[in-house]
Amino acid sequence: SQQGEEDPQALSIQEGENATMNCSYKTSINNLQWYRQNSGRGLVHLILIRSNEREKHSGRLRVTLDTSKKSSSLLITASRAADTASYFCATDANDYKLSFGAGTTVTVRA
Amino acid sequence: DTAVSQTPKYLVTQMGNDKSIKCEQNLGHDTMYWYKQDSKKFLKIMFSYNNKELIINETVPNRFSPKSPDKAHLNLHINSLELGDSAVYFCASSRPEGRGDTQYFGPGTRLTVL
Repeated sequence: SQQGEEDPQALSIQEGENATMNCSYKTSINNLQWYRQNSGRGLVHLILIRSNEREKHSGRLRVTLDTSKKSSSLLITASRAADTASYFCATDANDYKLSFGAGTTVTVRA
Repeated sequence: DTAVSQTPKYLVTQMGNDKSIKCEQNLGHDTMYWYKQDSKKFLKIMFSYNNKELIINETVPNRFSPKSPDKAHLNLHINSLELGDSAVYFCASSRPEGRGDTQYFGPGTRLTVL
């Protein structure tokens, strides 16, 4: 069954603006990961945050995790046209499976 | 160098045919996966192998059969293809520990069943 759900489904922003998307999940997790998928390509791992972490940064990416609310957010700062992609959260519930949501489609306008 | 590769990239075939998709990884990973991504971009795990042993077998029709000849390869064979099998199929791999670790995805195989 689908574990993570991203919100919003789609997001359109101007270049230079920040983009924020959220992920909610249902069961306890070991970690939560964010992936990016460019059109017609495979998924690329962006960042992994463990259940005992609250915030993590990687370049222009900032991820937060609130295990009490079972939610995470991904912030992309100073967006660029190259950030146009779909973004997926994936949760690990202590087995070999990652459960993915349906993604947030981000369009960055020049 | 391509880390996870899949062939073919596109596959168009008639209903009822049998087809295979191949996947190879050169990352030295022990765990490999097959995912199906539908038209709404929802990504669903189908199978996973760890060191050639099947460890995840989701509710998938038995027309789908994975085969892992060695830990660097995981192929997917599909018998009696149906219209509903049309999707993008992704192969992925992860480190030896496998559990909940970062997964590395191939470029996908877009299967269209006519």
